[in-house]
Amino acid sequence: GIQVEQSPPDLILQEGANSTLRCNFSDSVNNLQWFHQNPWGQLINLFYIPSGTKQNGRLSATTVATERYSLLYISSSQTTDSGVYFCAVEPYGQNFVFGPGTRLSVLP
Amino acid sequence: ETGVTQTPRHLVMGMTNKKSLKCEQHLGHNAMYWYKQSAKKPLELMFVYNFKEQTENNSVPSRFSPECPNSSHLFLHLHTLQPEDSALYLCASSQASGGTDTQYFGPGTRLTVL
Repeated sequence: GIQVEQSPPDLILQEGANSTLRCNFSDSVNNLQWFHQNPWGQLINLFYIPSGTKQNGRLSATTVATERYSLLYISSSQTTDSGVYFCAVEPYGQNFVFGPGTRLSVLP
Repeated sequence: ETGVTQTPRHLVMGMTNKKSLKCEQHLGHNAMYWYKQSAKKPLELMFVYNFKEQTENNSVPSRFSPECPNSSHLFLHLHTLQPEDSALYLCASSQASGGTDTQYFGPGTRLTVL
């Protein structure tokens, strides 16, 4: 099956810093989503981005489908950005496969 | 997000108990999913229902039994669980499975098996 890798596995930032999270996948996909899981376990949709670039406030994402990777940018990080960021990919005609996540801690 | 609700939020049960987890979606979606999230592991897809029909059983032990009476409700019946089944169980929904749709997640049920 498809393999999904995320890097870095852990990231510690000072409030106000910028960061880039990466998701690599081993096969073509029909769908790619980024999620943020808060400390209480709730998964929040950030982006539905099978290709191209999207921006939402301080967050933006870029997927280069032909090269099988996606990037999530967080600018001017805040303590509320802490949690785990998951990339999930959906191969054609199959169900979602989640990456292992990047655990982000933003310090005040 | 309040589009997908799950009850209970926390559950502690013994290995001989029988309990059920409930998920309800208010988004008009046709596909519903159960995921398991254990500590230090990625989310694992357990079951998929599309238009009330089960379309995926990801080699889940029979002590987990799903039920989807309609497109808005999904249950996970639990019996004779093991301590290693302790995890966060997440329900999600989307317009349809295997397509190009966004998945929306509920808040999860944190299960502890003693």
